[in-house]
Amino acid sequence: NAGVTQTPKFQVLKTGQSMTLQCAQDMNHEYMSWYRQDPGMGLRLIHYSVGAGITDQGEVPNGYNVSRSTTEDFPLRLLSAAPSQTSVYFCASSSGDTQYFGPGTRLTVL
Amino acid sequence: QKEVEQDPGPLSVPEGAIVSLNCTYSNSAFQYFMWYRQYSRKGPELLMYTYSSGNKEDGRFTAQVDKSSKYISLFIRDSQPSDSATYLCAMIQQGAGNMLTFGGGTRLMVKP
Repeated sequence: NAGVTQTPKFQVLKTGQSMTLQCAQDMNHEYMSWYRQDPGMGLRLIHYSVGAGITDQGEVPNGYNVSRSTTEDFPLRLLSAAPSQTSVYFCASSSGDTQYFGPGTRLTVL
Repeated sequence: QKEVEQDPGPLSVPEGAIVSLNCTYSNSAFQYFMWYRQYSRKGPELLMYTYSSGNKEDGRFTAQVDKSSKYISLFIRDSQPSDSATYLCAMIQQGAGNMLTFGGGTRLMVKP
């Protein structure tokens, strides 16, 4: 099992550009989520999904879109990148009480 | 004010010391409590999970929850350099599914 995988590991964008952060899991988990981590802020929930075709907003959803067409994949789209979206992004999937996190994507928006 | 407060550290201790990490929270709806460990440039990994007041032990780690004081702790006995990491507390409200609310994390350094 690869667990939760994320691509790319690093990305630099210019303000206004769009991009998609990829997340995939091979554990057949229904619940998947995206968090961003900023210094001193812990992780904050952006969007989550309780199964294919079902998504909902978390604490900080503005500027991000998600979709869940399969159980395995949960991409996060930045529509028009802003410097405030410079952060480390983590995808997670869970079964029951345990959430498994991916290795993260470090995004810098200039 | 954040819902979950955690001293950011860094906390520096000698090898073999007992480490105490703490979080306070303001929302009494939080019912499930977790501690995650995060090594540098890695994703968080679950260390401990508890849902009741009292203590839960797992090897060198003990998680303590005091719901009346809205205070949780993680104790690490016989700390090792490999314990050097950031420790994040996280909580889930009753009825909130798997939605985690995290503290800001405490960076721990264990010196040989």
